[in-house]
Amino acid sequence: DTAVSQTPKYLVTQMGNDKSIKCEQNLGHDTMYWYKQDSKKFLKIMFSYNNKELIINETVPNRFSPKSPDKAHLNLHINSLELGDSAVYFCASKITGVGSPLHFGNGTRLTVT
Amino acid sequence: AQTVTQSQPEMSVQEAETVTLSCTYDTSESDYYLFWYKQPPSRQMILVIRQEAYKQQNATENRFSVNFQKAAKSFSLKISDSQLGDAAMYFCAYRRGGGGADGLTFGKGTHLIIQP
Repeated sequence: DTAVSQTPKYLVTQMGNDKSIKCEQNLGHDTMYWYKQDSKKFLKIMFSYNNKELIINETVPNRFSPKSPDKAHLNLHINSLELGDSAVYFCASKITGVGSPLHFGNGTRLTVT
Repeated sequence: AQTVTQSQPEMSVQEAETVTLSCTYDTSESDYYLFWYKQPPSRQMILVIRQEAYKQQNATENRFSVNFQKAAKSFSLKISDSQLGDAAMYFCAYRRGGGGADGLTFGKGTHLIIQP
């Protein structure tokens, strides 16, 4: 009965490859996010989607492409991976509403070699 | 743009003692929300406590309480009777009000060490 689930938990790949991270939430939330946590633990928003519509697209290389097939899923595809993409990527969700907190997945540790 | 500052990269406290983690933020908004999240070594992000800016009363959740000073833009977290399981990174976060799709702006975190 995991609320926000991400797969895979760990991803090790070589530079230049293309990879995807999947996220699903069963909380009935309508807004989903991708965050990147760097090696110094700093968390920065990448994207947000509301009802499958892109709302926030921070300054992220266009090698990163989110896709939301429905409001329960938000996947992240990364093309031509670079060493600097190594980080932990968190998916999160919330219900639209005043003051509602974000619920986070357990993160995907991406290592690019 | 909103910024969140956590000035203590690391704090250490004896088990059963009380510790306060600092957080200040900068915003021109009057309606917003503040949060503290805990990230243990398991990497999971766990909501600890939430404060609405329009509420003067400080939020409390069991051993966790905040000291919210709106005029000073300060939002510190007090942990009473510290336990070994409290050891984690603690992140202060801000979100603008309005219920929209805005994400959270996080501080850089404070690493809390509990000494047995």
